[in-house]
Amino acid sequence: KNQVEQSPQSLIILEGKNCTLQCNYTVSPFSNLRWYKQDTGRGPVSLTIMTFSENTKSNGRYTATLDADTKQSSLHITASQLSDSASYICVVSAEETGANNLFFGTGTRLTVIP
Amino acid sequence: KAGVTQTPRYLIKTRGQQVTLSCSPISGHRSVSWYQQTPGQGLQFLFEYFSETQRNKGNFPGRFSGRQFSNSRSEMNVSTLELGDSALYLCASSLFTKNTGELFFGEGSRLTVL
Repeated sequence: KNQVEQSPQSLIILEGKNCTLQCNYTVSPFSNLRWYKQDTGRGPVSLTIMTFSENTKSNGRYTATLDADTKQSSLHITASQLSDSASYICVVSAEETGANNLFFGTGTRLTVIP
Repeated sequence: KAGVTQTPRYLIKTRGQQVTLSCSPISGHRSVSWYQQTPGQGLQFLFEYFSETQRNKGNFPGRFSGRQFSNSRSEMNVSTLELGDSALYLCASSLFTKNTGELFFGEGSRLTVL
């Protein structure tokens, strides 16, 4: 069964600290993995898209890693800011199957406090 | 470049009524997909339209339907509303079909069913 699991469900950190969010998946055949940031009451915004051959991808203070062998990804946030408070959603895309091929995690809710 | 526009942003309906939500994609994007987001279930795929044709469909009852116009604008309709239909409905546009390209989400339409 194709599934995407994220941990932790929620996380509270102090401003300026680093944190790492986890995403494990069982989606097959794998096409790509995406991380989205969703502010409360807003639509998700893409942070990174990673294909099978990419191990690391950065977008400013956000760095995503992918281990296709263990089917794990992480999103590392460096020097957190109050504006990083949001939900972070991991989405895994399967190769074309003729049916729905996007699988969503339920997200990690990050709160950055001063 | 204008982003994805969803209307209305908020609406309240009562059980048994129907509702129509609208989504205008980014100019040049021919794919529009719809998602339901609830606190317990996260993001769930409803359907995708590309060039006025439904290309993909999620596991939702027939009360949920959609269409796409020649200008790529899309509408989704929910008939005979139930309390459980209360959710944030997001649409996303993309250059490519079957979720192979980057998705750009709108701000969503928050539906409350009383």
